[in-house]
Amino acid sequence: GAVVSQHPSRVICKSGTSVKIECRSLDFQATTMFWYRQFPKQSLMLMATSNEGSKATYEQGVEKDKFLINHASLTLSTLTVTSAHPEDSSFYICSASRGGWNTEAFFGQGTRLTVV
Amino acid sequence: AQRVTQPEKLLSVFKGAPVELKCNYSYSGSPELFWYVQYSRQRLQLLLRHISRESIKGFTADLNKGETSFHLKKPFAQEEDSAMYYCAPRLFGNEKLTFGTGTRLTIIP
Repeated sequence: GAVVSQHPSRVICKSGTSVKIECRSLDFQATTMFWYRQFPKQSLMLMATSNEGSKATYEQGVEKDKFLINHASLTLSTLTVTSAHPEDSSFYICSASRGGWNTEAFFGQGTRLTVV
Repeated sequence: AQRVTQPEKLLSVFKGAPVELKCNYSYSGSPELFWYVQYSRQRLQLLLRHISRESIKGFTADLNKGETSFHLKKPFAQEEDSAMYYCAPRLFGNEKLTFGTGTRLTIIP
């Protein structure tokens, strides 16, 4: 099966610093990756769609300057939370698909970000 | 606006009893429907999709376009079914999934 790996799985950072989260498709090429945010006991909220070699498409209400997304290769997308604040503390999840309308999305294990 | 509703946040069912997790959607166009499951300490994974019309781990889901529902059912619950279940529609031709609020299913031994 297809595997998507996120790194790190947990990170604690100081308020005002930036944190980078990586999402890798280990055994397939992902033309599209998605970044989600999940608050405690709530559903996954789509933040942005990341396409290899082009700019990410952000959902309404998501600050693109705050959450920088880069999809430099077909196996790697990164989410950088810039100038993190305690309210950015959350569970961030990525998913990746091979592309095409009939494709399955595979999910990473998630990254728990805590900003102190 | 695209919307998906899972009315039950929590559902407890005795082992061996039937299970039904409800999902209703409101979508412009014809969506494709999925159920995703997240077992304890594991990542989200696909359980089934309506176009496959298959049974996975004893679960089935029928798309009812008239009622705009895609309820997940299993005739006899097992303890290993305890998990978080998400209904997720997406438009045909679009890879973007919208997740419902999820239902935490607990199977009572």
